[in-house]
Amino acid sequence: DARVTQTPRHKVTEMGQEVTMRCQPILGHNTVFWYRQTMMQGLELLAYFRNRAPLDDSGMPKDRFSAEMPDATLATLKIQPSEPRDSAVYFCASGLVVVGDRGRSGELFFGEGSRLTVL
Amino acid sequence: AQSVSQHNHHVILSEAASLELGCNYSYGGTVNLFWYVQYPGQHLQLLLKYFSGDPLVKGIKGFEAEFIKSKFSFNLRKPSVQWSDTAEYFCAPVADRGSTLGRLYFGRGTQLTVWP
Repeated sequence: DARVTQTPRHKVTEMGQEVTMRCQPILGHNTVFWYRQTMMQGLELLAYFRNRAPLDDSGMPKDRFSAEMPDATLATLKIQPSEPRDSAVYFCASGLVVVGDRGRSGELFFGEGSRLTVL
Repeated sequence: AQSVSQHNHHVILSEAASLELGCNYSYGGTVNLFWYVQYPGQHLQLLLKYFSGDPLVKGIKGFEAEFIKSKFSFNLRKPSVQWSDTAEYFCAPVADRGSTLGRLYFGRGTQLTVWP
């Protein structure tokens, strides 16, 4: 049963520390998203990639967040330095987007999330 | 850019009551439409989707949604809710072409609480 895998599931760290979250998308999916979920802001899109190329990272604070896809099986989201306001659940999602094929564009499969607490 | 509006932030119902959650989107082109559900402590899961054809689509667990193009709406319904339907529900349109192809625009979410 194919699924999106995220690590770590939980992370508690101190302000100023570097945090790296990892995501393994479903094999064959060409689009990967990073979302952040908080009670106050709801679901926010941080960044997304298609065929490993970044399409939009305007949702990320550029000075401290970075997102990459070193290869098709791994997406990373890094925060350096972390701050208490970064505390949230970070979700990775993947999907297959096929230009001209509406029936296969848009459905996303979400990982279990990484719950980050910055003290 | 697209936007999506979910009118109800928190809905509280008793079991067996009927449910309708509103969703309106703004986008001039053709969209695919999705409803996702997030059960407490879990990740988002697909509830149902609309691409084309019959505007009344059926999803899992007895949910259905109706696409009304003239109203830019995609409301979610269920005739009789259960305690296990307690969750947060997200409406999400996605453009089917252009630079934002494949990008879901999530609504703010509606928290549904069902009392037994």
